[in-house]
Amino acid sequence: QQQVKQSPQSLIVQKGGISIINCAYENTAFDYFPWYQQFPGKGPALLIAIRPDVSEKKEGRFTISFNKSAKQFSLHIMDSQPGDSATYFCAAKVGGNEKLTFGTGTRLTIIP
Amino acid sequence: DAGITQSPRHKVTETGTPVTLRCHQTENHRYMYWYRQDPGHGLRLIHYSYGVKDTDKGEVSDGYSVSRSKTEDFLLTLESATSSQTSVYFCAISEVRTLTYEQYFGPGTRLTVT
Repeated sequence: QQQVKQSPQSLIVQKGGISIINCAYENTAFDYFPWYQQFPGKGPALLIAIRPDVSEKKEGRFTISFNKSAKQFSLHIMDSQPGDSATYFCAAKVGGNEKLTFGTGTRLTIIP
Repeated sequence: DAGITQSPRHKVTETGTPVTLRCHQTENHRYMYWYRQDPGHGLRLIHYSYGVKDTDKGEVSDGYSVSRSKTEDFLLTLESATSSQTSVYFCAISEVRTLTYEQYFGPGTRLTVT
């Protein structure tokens, strides 16, 4: 049973464009929503995270938008660069529980 | 990779043989996790540990066992490897924090079962 649904599976964006990856969840007990970035041959690393008390969090070119009523959150990468080409995973966590539930991943390719 | 090493980094084994993967951390974090990563499935939790000798199952634990005899080491054993266990295995660690939460991942072990 997949509790966090991620789309699209793959995404190609022109350099300088906006990359958008979406996730939807079912469990209303989730209270922490991170995004992880993974480069080929490496382990995932935390990119940015949000808690449901805010609707948006921005760190540099990366922004998480959160819609609690729709149970959806998304990652926006502004001015996308070739170095952003990686696989991105959304995830969710229940408060007091030390486990993450991951989405299935999005392979992002930024073309010149 | 936040003081996490995995060994071996690559392994090819035959169906029916036992395999043990090792995760070693130097961060003294309480929690340790084993995931497998497969195309179309993302990262799926196999087992995790919340202290020495304290472990619990994840969503895909069948065919796997774990042990943690020291804070720094978390072993994953495939009791009798099958081709469906061909995957990339990641170890992760975390610690309880009041304001932030992050899992730190190791570099991964690519396992091929022939």
